[in-house]
Amino acid sequence: KNQVEQSPQSLIILEGKNCTLQCNYTVSPFSNLRWYKQDTGRGPVSLTIMTFSENTKSNGRYTATLDADTKQSSLHITASQLSDSASYICVVNRGGNNRLAFGKGNQVVVIP
Amino acid sequence: DVKVTQSSRYLVKRTGEKVFLECVQDMDHENMFWYRQDPGLGLRLIYFSYDVKMKEKGDIPEGYSVSREKKERFSLILESASTNQTSMYLCASRTPGQGNRGEQYFGPGTRLTVT
Repeated sequence: KNQVEQSPQSLIILEGKNCTLQCNYTVSPFSNLRWYKQDTGRGPVSLTIMTFSENTKSNGRYTATLDADTKQSSLHITASQLSDSASYICVVNRGGNNRLAFGKGNQVVVIP
Repeated sequence: DVKVTQSSRYLVKRTGEKVFLECVQDMDHENMFWYRQDPGLGLRLIYFSYDVKMKEKGDIPEGYSVSREKKERFSLILESASTNQTSMYLCASRTPGQGNRGEQYFGPGTRLTVT
């Protein structure tokens, strides 16, 4: 069973609209959680990182939240742009040994 | 600026060939990683390396080996390529960080097709 579940699997939104991506995890222990953006044909790039004590983090139009009690995170995209079309991957760090648990990604398509 | 480069963006090999995928980072990082990414499966760790000549198996090491002779270079080797190794291969390099906050920087990926 995958320890990091993301929803929705894919999403189509109109340019200028907002959207929220969900990440639920069962990974334990927990060190930190990152959201990565992966453009088609490129490697993932980190957007945000949150530790246990942080419940929100922003990077421009991207805002991530974390509820460590319920083991849920979300990524909110505000005023979407065509360049936001990408896969967004939730990654949980279990700490030690560099072991990361990856979600399968949320595929976002922004249409004009 | 952090830079991780991979030797090829696209590669086509025949079944049974020996394949080398090269990754170079210019940040003097000790930790480097090889992943494969397949539709519906996400990223899966093949091998990683803590330092020169140090390596450790990831979650799916079967059919692969690695080499780290210099700090900046981490190679993934497919001894005898098979069609089920057709995939996108991503190399990453990790910044040192307190409390595991170190970030993994990814290369652009190599899309390998084995026919």
